[in-house]
Amino acid sequence: AQTVTQSQPEMSVQEAETVTLSCTYDTSESDYYLFWYKQPPSRQMILVIRQEAYKQQNATENRFSVNFQKAAKSFSLKISDSQLGDAAMYFCAYRSAGTGNQFYFGTGTSLTVIP
Amino acid sequence: EAQVTQNPRYLITVTGKKLTVTCSQNMNHEYMSWYRQDPGLGLRQIYYSMNVEVTDKGDVPEGYKVSRKEKRNFPLILESPSPNQTSLYFCASSWSGRAGDEQFFGPGTRLTVL
Repeated sequence: AQTVTQSQPEMSVQEAETVTLSCTYDTSESDYYLFWYKQPPSRQMILVIRQEAYKQQNATENRFSVNFQKAAKSFSLKISDSQLGDAAMYFCAYRSAGTGNQFYFGTGTSLTVIP
Repeated sequence: EAQVTQNPRYLITVTGKKLTVTCSQNMNHEYMSWYRQDPGLGLRQIYYSMNVEVTDKGDVPEGYKVSRKEKRNFPLILESPSPNQTSLYFCASSWSGRAGDEQFFGPGTRLTVL
């Protein structure tokens, strides 16, 4: 089974500042997808951003961007201009493009945004 | 409104009393999945289904059963719940089993087994 590691259980950021959440994963596969999901206090899981391993260009969605380092098996999430609504638990996830059926999630990073 | 629904949202039960958590999606999605979320462990996949009558085990299937008799429904069955199955459960669905498809999650079911 693939493993996904989020080494930062908690992070904090000042409103309007930038924060980076880290994620590493272990796989022997060459084609896969990586995801960041956000879980606010409402518990609803929301897709933030996704990246296909074969695409060299880092994915970007408005204030959210990733730094995908395939060789290092690293997939960090950068949140720019942090807002109070960004406060949530963030989960990194992996899915194989070959078998494509199972998802593997990290243990999560709880992000606090300080006004 | 496109959504994944779960029922019940909260459930307190006792050890050994069979229960079913329902999951339904109205998006005609082929792929459906169940997860449990526990503090410090993140989300772990229990079972998934690629289509009607096609189900497979995830990482933590012990103590759970599923069925997929209709495309829209994917119930999770605990035949004899135990306290270690106390958890937050999520159902999710996506258009297909392609790896890049976005998963849509239900609101979660908080289960407590005494």
